[in-house]
Amino acid sequence: DIQMTQSPSSVSASVGDRVTITCRASQGISSWLAWYQQKPGKAPKLLIYAASSLQSGVPSRFSGSGSGTDFTLTISSLQPEDFATYYCQQANSFPSFTFGPGTKVDIK
Amino acid sequence: EVQLVESGGGLVQPGGSLRLSCAASGFTVSSNYMSWVRQAPGKGLEWVSVIYSGGSTYYADSVKGRFTISRHNSKNTLYLQMNSLRAEDTAVYYCARVLAAAGTASYYFDYWGQGTLVTVSS
Repeated sequence: DIQMTQSPSSVSASVGDRVTITCRASQGISSWLAWYQQKPGKAPKLLIYAASSLQSGVPSRFSGSGSGTDFTLTISSLQPEDFATYYCQQANSFPSFTFGPGTKVDIK
Repeated sequence: EVQLVESGGGLVQPGGSLRLSCAASGFTVSSNYMSWVRQAPGKGLEWVSVIYSGGSTYYADSVKGRFTISRHNSKNTLYLQMNSLRAEDTAVYYCARVLAAAGTASYYFDYWGQGTLVTVSS
């Protein structure tokens, strides 16, 4: 089974900061990776798919990069509405999927 | 507008059964891959099951043999029949549409329902 890890598990940041979250797969997954944002009590929201493709309607301050085993989600200038938990998800083992454990972004 | 609305959650005793529903609008369930994903209280996301447009079904090892995913085409609704429920099945259950990036096998969940809470406890 492919395992996903994320770092850091939490990060405290201020509005306007650049925030980078890393996701690592236990084996190569090409570019079969997506990123989601989840706010408390809400469903996850798709941000990035295929490692670097921005989902329609998602602000351009969000970007994704990477391939193989190491991936990054970057928020270029953190906004108040971006405080949330972020999950990566691999699809290399489709039809099964694996999510990372999540990274919580909170207010410094 | 695409919308997914889950229902059917509630409190059930260990060993009991429950059927979740996910009513879709704005697209055709039977023409898409559809999935269930769950989230235990305070925990991360866990994929549960997927049904292909062709009808093939797949399950996480943790629910294989106990859960069944299905759909009703004329009602445009997805289901999850959950039997032999355990305390560790307690979670919010989300239905989600599965898409693949054009020309790739990079599958992801583009639309999610609001979730329905299943609590397994005596």
